[in-house]
Amino acid sequence: DTGVSQDPRHKITKRGQNVTFRCDPISEHNRLYWYRQTLGQGPEFLTYFQNEAQLEKSRLLSDRFSAERPKGSFSTLEIQRTEQGDSAMYLCASSLAASSDTQYFGPGTRLTVL
Amino acid sequence: KQEVTQIPAALSVPEGENLVLNCSFTDSAIYNLQWFRQDPGKGLTSLLLIQSSQREQTSGRLNASLDKSSGRSTLYIAASQPGDSATYLCAVRGGSGGYQKVTFGTGTKLQVIP
Repeated sequence: DTGVSQDPRHKITKRGQNVTFRCDPISEHNRLYWYRQTLGQGPEFLTYFQNEAQLEKSRLLSDRFSAERPKGSFSTLEIQRTEQGDSAMYLCASSLAASSDTQYFGPGTRLTVL
Repeated sequence: KQEVTQIPAALSVPEGENLVLNCSFTDSAIYNLQWFRQDPGKGLTSLLLIQSSQREQTSGRLNASLDKSSGRSTLYIAASQPGDSATYLCAVRGGSGGYQKVTFGTGTKLQVIP
């Protein structure tokens, strides 16, 4: 068990481009979460999956954001037409509902939009 | 809407001191509360999780308590060490808006001086 992994770790893009991030949860964890964190703030909840079903989506997640977890394993977060305000750390976490539901976080993907 | 507040925002203590970090939340209909530490530029490391039916959890020099009715949790760190320097975040799962959503506080930045 290697923990939660995220790819890429860093992404620099120009405004208007599309970006996609990947999260691989701890194997057998059925819950997966995406958060966004800006400097000096706590993580902000974006969305949550139980298996392949997206059960909760924050109002922060505009129409330019979409997340998928097609087979209930890894997940992708896509941002279309990036804006400078999208610059942040994007964090992924996973948990096992049948257990204590403790969330384990990945190292994050730092996005910089120029 | 669940709101989570952490006081103080920053704390500096000499090595060896015992200290208490505070977390308060506005909606007491929570599912659980989790404490994390975050080192600069890194992801979050889980410290303790308290279920809504529990009053406290302990791990090593850490003790977390939960008073759901008053909307408060504390994280007690005994005999602080320089390696404890980090930002400590509390996260509340649930509220009247549903149990899936997780709300973080803005954190307490702790510095332990050798």
